[in-house]
Amino acid sequence: AQSVTQLDSQVPVFEEAPVELRCNYSSSVSVYLFWYVQYPNQGLQLLLKYLSGSTLVKGINGFEAEFNKSQTSFHLRKPSVHISDTAEYFCAVPGANNLFFGTGTRLTVIP
Amino acid sequence: GAGVSQSPRYKVAKRGQDVALRCDPISGHVSLFWYQQALGQGPEFLTYFQNEAQLDKSGLPSDRFFAERPEGSVSTLKIQRTQQEDSAVYLCASSSTLAGLIETQYFGPGTRLLVL
Repeated sequence: AQSVTQLDSQVPVFEEAPVELRCNYSSSVSVYLFWYVQYPNQGLQLLLKYLSGSTLVKGINGFEAEFNKSQTSFHLRKPSVHISDTAEYFCAVPGANNLFFGTGTRLTVIP
Repeated sequence: GAGVSQSPRYKVAKRGQDVALRCDPISGHVSLFWYQQALGQGPEFLTYFQNEAQLDKSGLPSDRFFAERPEGSVSTLKIQRTQQEDSAVYLCASSSTLAGLIETQYFGPGTRLLVL
């Protein structure tokens, strides 16, 4: 069965500091992984996805994630955050007909 | 429109009322999904359509929940005899080809349902 675990429910970080949002996965089949972002009162938007190939995936808004098979992780990183990055971030893994989402990490960027 | 739209954006219902939530997917998108997002949680799958066919409804929490997509475009999620535990944000998503796996799902802004 596929599932993802986001260990941190809230991550506060100062503006221009680096950030890492953690995601661990459990899957019995080929692994595809996604990160989505949800800004206040908006729907989810795809940040990046890992399908195959290079384990370092670059996404929009300066975010990147690294697929680590040995640690079953897909952590999201950004070297320098902006106020506008304040949002909820969801890691997800696909099932047969849907996405399974983690419980989310609320990133708050402090001026 | 360029994206997925949902209406109404907010709905307040008295317990026991029926509600209907509408989703307009991106034009031409084959797959359509409904998710329920409780406060402080990630979205949870409700049901999936491929064109007009409802191929998976395993996530619908009870027989009070019903979804349709009669012409393979607009979809309606109906909740009968609403209960307080139905209060949540209902998200609709669409994708261009087949479900799941690698296709990007495009999400609407959601309908926030509050049942009093």
